[in-house]
Amino acid sequence: DSGVTQTPKHLITATGQRVTLRCSPRSGDLSVYWYQQSLDQGLQFLIQYYNGEERAKGNILERFSAQQFPDLHSELNLSSLELGDSALYFCASSSQTGAALGTQYFGPGTRLLVL
Amino acid sequence: GENVGLHLPTLSVQEGDNSIINCAYSNSASDYFIWYKQESGKGPQFIIDIRSNMDKRQGQRVTVLLNKTVKHLSLQIAATQPGDSAVYFCAEIENSGGSNYKLTFGKGTLLTVNP
Repeated sequence: DSGVTQTPKHLITATGQRVTLRCSPRSGDLSVYWYQQSLDQGLQFLIQYYNGEERAKGNILERFSAQQFPDLHSELNLSSLELGDSALYFCASSSQTGAALGTQYFGPGTRLLVL
Repeated sequence: GENVGLHLPTLSVQEGDNSIINCAYSNSASDYFIWYKQESGKGPQFIIDIRSNMDKRQGQRVTVLLNKTVKHLSLQIAATQPGDSAVYFCAEIENSGGSNYKLTFGKGTLLTVNP
């Protein structure tokens, strides 16, 4: 158990819909990272937040957004969903401020299926 | 070489043998590299990292080698155990010291350890 929790574990929805994925980092970690893992694209970095502020952006689509709240939990919002958005979405946390340096602890992931 | 989708490169070894997993990275400006292990149904797990000013780093039963000339990274696992069976993938980061970093993952290699 990494100490990072993600909800829900599974999510099935339809094209055009909007979903919110939730992540609670390890106690004391200020950085939260979001990743997408799909069969064709592999693992991709989406976005990082540090202590409530956006720190870095990766391959995040404009239809996707995220935020980190004062209690440090984070939400990833996916809108206007397409079939190709079906993937595993991982959240990771670390005590580092920057570029995924050192140990990141990954959550168990949310499996999203868009029908 | 790298495969996409379900067709990951695979490496099958006998328990107790040493394993070498390779990764060809693409960005000559990458200055930080990480190896991750991902077991079936779980999130990635940090194994070891190395900065570009080093060519070798050792951990417990693992060694990472970096050859910047040919943009090649390898992970050596000593005395491979059945619990090492997983997908292993590398990550490269450009501008690891800044907030505008670029993080890219390899597709992964499936390691199977035969008892």
